Amino acid sequence: QVTLRESGPALVKPTQTLTLTCTFSGFSLSTTGMCVSWIRQPPGKALEWLARIDWDDDKYYNTSLKTRLTISKDTSKNQVVLIMTNMDPVDTATYYCARMTTVKRPFDYWGQGTLVTVSS
Amino acid sequence: DIQMTQSPSSLSASTGDRVTITCRASQSISNYLNWYQQKPGKAPELLIYGASTLQSGVPSRFSGSGSGTDFTLTISSLQPEDFATYYCEQSYGTPGFGQGTKVEIK
Repeated sequence: QVTLRESGPALVKPTQTLTLTCTFSGFSLSTTGMCVSWIRQPPGKALEWLARIDWDDDKYYNTSLKTRLTISKDTSKNQVVLIMTNMDPVDTATYYCARMTTVKRPFDYWGQGTLVTVSS
Repeated sequence: DIQMTQSPSSLSASTGDRVTITCRASQSISNYLNWYQQKPGKAPELLIYGASTLQSGVPSRFSGSGSGTDFTLTISSLQPEDFATYYCEQSYGTPGFGQGTKVEIK
């Protein structure tokens, strides 16, 4: 059974750095083709893809957020970490991690999401 | 980046209605188009991938069509549990989502 779960702070202050962890089970990120992405959704707004890490440690980022994002994985712990620097109130959103079984495939499993509020 | 444009942004329909949602890509994406359903407070769920392939467990009243730049999601007979927001997503390049279509009760 595939599951993903996001964890991290619910509240961060402007200019601070956000660190989110996606802990998953039921698959391995060392399996050829496997990928995990981070996606966010501001309240009442659309989904926005942020970053992806592949089984071979290739990494891809949203063009407009690239300078602020870092994605990494710990295969032994079944975790993917997203770091976002210089947080702003507009970054308030529910952050999801999701799995793809290979490039160009859909997001077939999602975590339940974690709401991050940016406020002083 | 490839831009995805969904229409309409919202619609009102009754149980039993046939509903059609369209999604247009800013360039050809072949059939790398996926549809998701999202209910309030929940994560999106995959409905259709590869433009027309139903994800396992998804009712057959959902169907998808299209290729290239123009795609359609159809619900043949709307059920009470289908009132939700629907998103298209292209997986041809860097992933991108449409703005969403909220299906509301008429």
